[in-house]
Amino acid sequence: DAKTTQPPSMDCAEGRAANLPCNHSTISGNEYVYWYRQIHSQGPQYIIHGLKNNETNEMASLIITEDRKSSTLILPHATLRDTAVYYCIVRVRAGTASKLTFGTGTRLQVTL
Amino acid sequence: NAGVTQTPKFRVLKTGQSMTLLCAQDMNHEYMYWYRQDPGMGLRLIHYSVGEGTTAKGEVPDGYNVSRLKKQNFLLGLESAAPSQTSVYFCASSYSQGGSNQPQHFGDGTRLSIL
Repeated sequence: DAKTTQPPSMDCAEGRAANLPCNHSTISGNEYVYWYRQIHSQGPQYIIHGLKNNETNEMASLIITEDRKSSTLILPHATLRDTAVYYCIVRVRAGTASKLTFGTGTRLQVTL
Repeated sequence: NAGVTQTPKFRVLKTGQSMTLLCAQDMNHEYMYWYRQDPGMGLRLIHYSVGEGTTAKGEVPDGYNVSRLKKQNFLLGLESAAPSQTSVYFCASSYSQGGSNQPQHFGDGTRLSIL
């Protein structure tokens, strides 16, 4: 199983870009990197995922290094509503279904 | 479009009691999952299902049973509740198409306390 390493906490000023790093040095060639977030007391919310190319959607951008050993989630203009725990996950197979192995994530605090 | 709905949202049980948690999804997803989340920890997979009538064990299956009689529903049962099963339970679902690279969509959780 590919494991991920994230800083336990980060702060970001509202309106600035939040850059959340993740190390996944043991990732296999066909494993995707997923990002989810969990706002207090709610279920995890899917943000973005990618294999090797950089990805962008309406919520965020995902930058994956060329060797795929690390990635960065970018929230371009953080707001107070983005305060949450962010999980970087590498998909692990469980039979024919994907299994998401959640670590402890990064607690992002967006401040005024 | 409700997405993934979990019932009930809160429940308190006594040790030894049984109960069933219900998960329903209206997205026609083939795959469904049950996770538990304990304070300060990430989610851990209990059981999952790749289709109607099929179930499989995850990381922490002991003390739980599941059933998938209908595609849209995935039930999690506790036959004899123990205090160690006090947790927040999350259900998720996803499409199967694309080689399991589809994101999982989560419900808002069931908060279960065992006294």
